Amino acid sequence: GIQVEQSPPDLILQEGANSTLRCNFSDSVNNLQWFHQNPWGQLINLFYIPSGTKQNGRLSATTVATERYSLLYISSSQTTDSGVYFCAVSGNQFYFGTGTSLTVIP
Amino acid sequence: GAGVSQTPSNKVTEKGKYVELRCDPISGHTALYWYRQSLGQGPEFLIYFQGTGAADDSGLPNDRFFAVRPEGSVSTLKIQRTERGDSAVYLCASSPSDGYTEAFFGQGTRLTVV
Repeated sequence: GIQVEQSPPDLILQEGANSTLRCNFSDSVNNLQWFHQNPWGQLINLFYIPSGTKQNGRLSATTVATERYSLLYISSSQTTDSGVYFCAVSGNQFYFGTGTSLTVIP
Repeated sequence: GAGVSQTPSNKVTEKGKYVELRCDPISGHTALYWYRQSLGQGPEFLIYFQGTGAADDSGLPNDRFFAVRPEGSVSTLKIQRTERGDSAVYLCASSPSDGYTEAFFGQGTRLTVV
C-alpha cells in the first residue's frame, strides 16, 4: 500500500502563531484530503486537494503531486484549532498518515 | 440526513458476544468505507463498497468481521465472537462515486469489549 508520513508528530503553539504541517506520500495518488479530528473524534473535512492550492479562511493547503507531498498552513492559530490533523491519500482505498497532534495554548 | 450517521455512538459488549454497527451514508453516495481507529493511531482501512458489492475487503482482520450493504445504502459491520483487541472506534465514510472523490466521515462508534 501507499505509505503516508506526516510531520511533525506533535506541535505546541502559542495562540496567534502560524504553522505548517507536512504530508509525504510514497506513490502517485488520485486523491488527497486533509482532516481535523476534534476532541470528540469526529473527522472534519478541511480540504480535498489532489493538486494545486486552496484557501479557506485561516487555513490553506498546497499539494505538489509530482513531488508527492502536501502542506497545510494554519495562520493566526486559535485554541479551537487544537486536535489531530490527518492527511489521507487514495489509490484504491484511503491511506491515512499517523497525524500531527496540535495543541494551541492561550 | 445531511451527513454520515453511525449508530450506536457507544457500544460496550462482553468478550465473545456478537455486535452490529450501522452506517447511514450521505444520500446518493455510492461508495462507502469502514475504518477502525485505535488510540493514538490513524484510521485503518477495513472494507470498501461500491454500490451493494464489496469492491475491496482486504482490510478485514479475520473471518470474525463481516460487512453488508444489501440495498446500496445503509451498511452494517458485523463482528462475531468479539475479543478485547477489537475495542476501537469504528468509522464509516461515504463519497459520491468511486474511490477517487472526496470522502465524508461519520462520528464513529466507540466499541469497548470487556
